[in-house]
Amino acid sequence: NAGVTQTPKFQVLKTGQSMTLQCAQDMNHNSMYWYRQDPGMGLRLIYYSASEGTTDKGEVPNGYNVSRLNKREFSLRLESAAPSQTSVYFCASSLHPPAGYTFGSGTRLTVV
Amino acid sequence: KQEVTQIPAALSVPEGENLVLNCSFTDSAIYNLQWFRQDPGKGLTSLLLIQSSQREQTSGRLNASLDKSSGRSTLYIAASQPGDSATYLCAVRLEDAGGTSYGKLTFGQGTILTVHP
Repeated sequence: NAGVTQTPKFQVLKTGQSMTLQCAQDMNHNSMYWYRQDPGMGLRLIYYSASEGTTDKGEVPNGYNVSRLNKREFSLRLESAAPSQTSVYFCASSLHPPAGYTFGSGTRLTVV
Repeated sequence: KQEVTQIPAALSVPEGENLVLNCSFTDSAIYNLQWFRQDPGKGLTSLLLIQSSQREQTSGRLNASLDKSSGRSTLYIAASQPGDSATYLCAVRLEDAGGTSYGKLTFGQGTILTVHP
């Protein structure tokens, strides 16, 4: 099915471990985004990539890095996980305006 | 900084009622506004997308309106059903200085809707 695919769906990390969250879209969208969702905080933008080859910080970028590998793929890396990074992470993509966003199903990350 | 507020935070109604969910935003320089549905433990499903030049959009029993000048949008759900139970999120996409928008949706906190049989 066409859309945004995120892997893994669930992950438990120990403090200090690293991991990469993968995201791929098959809709030929230009822009891709990483959000985190926390209770009481809503969805907050971590990083985005307006087009292939560019990335920019969002609202809460500290502790994360991203790579726009090609037009389809946009990965999010946690170099040294902290309990404060326990969250649900969503990847999204969009064509340039006036298109809307399409979201993936999320990665539930727990850092212990 | 754009702020998006959704009222009410939670709503519980019997099946069959017509509902109105409210969304307000502080910066009227938006490109568009999107309503999403999120089921527990799931991702976001797009319901309706309204461009800044539009007044409303309709899809089945859903109707969303936009009053850009007053910074408000409403989502109207007709003849509610238990399957409508979910969290409804409103998100606005700002214009940037060049008059385009490369993203950065700003979300409200959501309205948790429960429809009882």
